[in-house]
Amino acid sequence: SYELTQPPSVSVSPGQTASITCSGDKLGDKYASWYRQKPGQSPVLVIYQDTKRPSGIPERFSGSNSGNTATLTISGTQAMDEADYYCQAWDSSTVVFGGGTKLTVL
Amino acid sequence: QVQLHESGPGLVKPSGTLSLTCAVSGGSISSDSWWSWVRQPPGTGLEWIGEIYHRGSTNYNPSLKSRVTISVDTSKNQFSLKLTSVTAADTAVYYCARVPTLTQPFDYWGQGTLVTVSS
Repeated sequence: SYELTQPPSVSVSPGQTASITCSGDKLGDKYASWYRQKPGQSPVLVIYQDTKRPSGIPERFSGSNSGNTATLTISGTQAMDEADYYCQAWDSSTVVFGGGTKLTVL
Repeated sequence: QVQLHESGPGLVKPSGTLSLTCAVSGGSISSDSWWSWVRQPPGTGLEWIGEIYHRGSTNYNPSLKSRVTISVDTSKNQFSLKLTSVTAADTAVYYCARVPTLTQPFDYWGQGTLVTVSS
């Protein structure tokens, strides 16, 4: 079965750039999406089709996807960005989530 | 604005059947969308369970397929999940969510409901 691998945790200082990776076999041939989840809340879509931002998501969120790795980048990270982030892709007609990355803003 | 709301028992006995319903409001379940269930065990990540189209087509997570049934009731604008032979490992927050078309991302999520498997 298809798997997506994320680092368990990433730390960043306020105002700096945070990068969260998601790895999978030929992931660049698929569309990657990213979700943000804060404690006790439902996931929220922040990036879809590799690079697109839904309405209401700040411009500091961006994405890329090439080869075997998709990357979520948060520029000028703010304290409010501290959360768990999950990548997601489709493999045939099934959904696959990465294991999640806890972003800590120190 | 589509809204999703999960409901069902919060406690299920081991070896029993977990049953949940997701009510859809603000939109028709008969639209060209797929309706999914996703779960999240305490302190861990998201796991996709499966999805259904309003005409009844389904796709399931291979790891759960033998125990899962997802059905739709268009007259009530809702869809349901049944998971059989549950164990403590099935304890999780269960979310329903919408995919606008197949291979698109989840754009709407319910608030989630915690189901605990315990005697």
